[in-house]
Amino acid sequence: AQSVTQLGSHVSVSEGALVLLRCNYSSSVPPYLFWYVQYPNQGLQLLLKYTSAATLVKGINGFEAEFKKSETSFHLTKPSAHMSDAAEYFCAVSDIPGNQFYFGTGTSLTVIP
Amino acid sequence: KAGVTQTPRYLIKTRGQQVTLSCSPISGHRSVSWYQQTPGQGLQFLFEYFSETQRNKGNFPGRFSGRQFSNSRSEMNVSTLELGDSALYLCASSITPGGSYEQYFGPGTRLTVT
Repeated sequence: AQSVTQLGSHVSVSEGALVLLRCNYSSSVPPYLFWYVQYPNQGLQLLLKYTSAATLVKGINGFEAEFKKSETSFHLTKPSAHMSDAAEYFCAVSDIPGNQFYFGTGTSLTVIP
Repeated sequence: KAGVTQTPRYLIKTRGQQVTLSCSPISGHRSVSWYQQTPGQGLQFLFEYFSETQRNKGNFPGRFSGRQFSNSRSEMNVSTLELGDSALYLCASSITPGGSYEQYFGPGTRLTVT
């Protein structure tokens, strides 16, 4: 069975500071991992995904995530936060085709000017 | 290519009524998933359809049901509405369920039950 844990339901950073959002997964088979962003009153938008091609994945808006098998982690980072990054971020895991996606509980990012 | 569309965008219903929400996936996508999103519970998986068959189901009461048509469009129905059903209902489509294929989300239907 799969599961995703996002540590920290709320994260605040100053504008220009490093953004680090944590995601740990549990999967009995090699996983596919995803990060989504949700702006207020909108659906979720894919930021990036890991599909075993490379452990460091670059996504949109300057975000990237590193797959670490030994730590079962897929943390999302951005070197310098912008005000426009304020949103809800969700980590998700999938594995075998035919199985459902599992989403984490989300992390709300606040950027302080 | 058009994205996932959901109708209606907003809905107000009274307790005890029933409601039907619609989702049109991206052209070529055959898998449709539904989620309920509330401030206290986050994203809760409702069910997933692929080729008109329900493949996966979340832990929701039987009042929540869905179906998928041959053109991959999907509907979900909630009967005997309760106040706690007030939420944002999100639909997501993908080429096939699971695996490396990401889900694409619609803007959601905001349901308010009074």
